Amino acid sequence: GAGVSQSPRYKVAKRGQDVALRCDPISGHVSLFWYQQALGQGPEFLTYFQNEAQLDKSGLPSDRFFAERPEGSVSTLKIQRTQQEDSAVYLCASSFKRDWSSYEQYFGPGTRLTVT
Amino acid sequence: KNEVEQSPQNLTAQEGEFITINCSYSVGISALHWLQQHPGGGIVSLFMLSSGKKKHGRLIATINIQEKHSSLHITASHPRDSAVYICAVLPSNFGNEKLTFGTGTRLTIIP
Repeated sequence: GAGVSQSPRYKVAKRGQDVALRCDPISGHVSLFWYQQALGQGPEFLTYFQNEAQLDKSGLPSDRFFAERPEGSVSTLKIQRTQQEDSAVYLCASSFKRDWSSYEQYFGPGTRLTVT
Repeated sequence: KNEVEQSPQNLTAQEGEFITINCSYSVGISALHWLQQHPGGGIVSLFMLSSGKKKHGRLIATINIQEKHSSLHITASHPRDSAVYICAVLPSNFGNEKLTFGTGTRLTIIP
């Protein structure tokens, strides 16, 4: 079946522009995660949804970052007034069940954001 | 100090060599993931394990919960195994699903 998809795959934004990154999780997956991966680093947690509820947004680096998942399926990560330090790959992942034995996360291909 | 440490950071080996990548962590965990990331590509989950050992083809992953250590082994390595391998842990506090990642090990297999 279809995996996690993300769009766009690449985005170049001028400093100060707003961007919106989309994630389509695997159908039926309850949990959805956003991660930020700077060049040469491992991914870092941004935020997490269970269905439409945003249960944890402790990793969002500033109030310029906002995520939503209004119908419990597709999610959008929005970055307002982009800065150069926002340049990174933004990864989305989803997982099916909420018991610890099924926490395997399936990752999308990522969106590479470059802020010039 | 990072909660998840990997070694080595970079590894270059000849085709056919046996490869070992190590991961140490400092928190209690429910499970540990080994992930593979190709340049320009997304992340593929190789293993999720909470005890013992798992094997898939030429890949073997082991974990020692008491020592807070895991290893990923690749037998008969091949150039297509060249990628970044990332260890990620799921903390053991119930309801916390967010992964904590290591910085990755860049593996290059030379033909």
